[in-house]
Amino acid sequence: QKEVEQNSGPLSVPEGAIASLNCTYSDRGSQSFFWYRQYSGKSPELIMFIYSNGDKEDGRFTAQLNKASQYVSLLIRDSQPSDSATYLCAVNPSYNTDKLIFGTGTRLQVFP
Amino acid sequence: DTGVSQDPRHKITKRGQNVTFRCDPISEHNRLYWYRQTLGQGPEFLTYFQNEAQLEKSRLLSDRFSAERPKGSFSTLEIQRTEQGDSAMYLCATAGTGSQPQHFGDGTRLSIL
Repeated sequence: QKEVEQNSGPLSVPEGAIASLNCTYSDRGSQSFFWYRQYSGKSPELIMFIYSNGDKEDGRFTAQLNKASQYVSLLIRDSQPSDSATYLCAVNPSYNTDKLIFGTGTRLQVFP
Repeated sequence: DTGVSQDPRHKITKRGQNVTFRCDPISEHNRLYWYRQTLGQGPEFLTYFQNEAQLEKSRLLSDRFSAERPKGSFSTLEIQRTEQGDSAMYLCATAGTGSQPQHFGDGTRLSIL
């Protein structure tokens, strides 16, 4: 089992819709969770981070964390074509480390 | 620009050559990370510095790879005797103290001929 799992997609949504991106992780003790956006040929850009169970909202983005289910998601409201990118889920595991473990990413396509 | 800076942006070299990459962190970020990313994969952790101390190295990091961060400022990553499998994007990320998140530089794309 991979430590961080994401559906590779592509996830296709129409402009203006809500895009829902999901991620599961295997280490139950994981403490910190991050979403990065990566455009083709570019480096990852931090979108959201969440440390506590529940929802965290920032503009059009909402991160949701459920530690009991080992599940973290990213909702993008009013999706725009410029949101088309790969979204990487990253987890800081519970053991004594500061590194991030990344999923393989979900490719999002927003069509006009 | 006060973001994480990486140099060079692209490096093409022949198999067997040595290469060195540089990363300049965001000012006052004391934590610095190196990751490697290949096509279709997420970044994989290579090594981590807190100030000048190298605190963690991945088992992926063979003895051909070495990283330094003298004086706790910029960092270098050297690959000796490059192999075809070293072709990847090498990403540097830095973070401040506590639980502050990591921010990535633009990366160095390495191509081995």
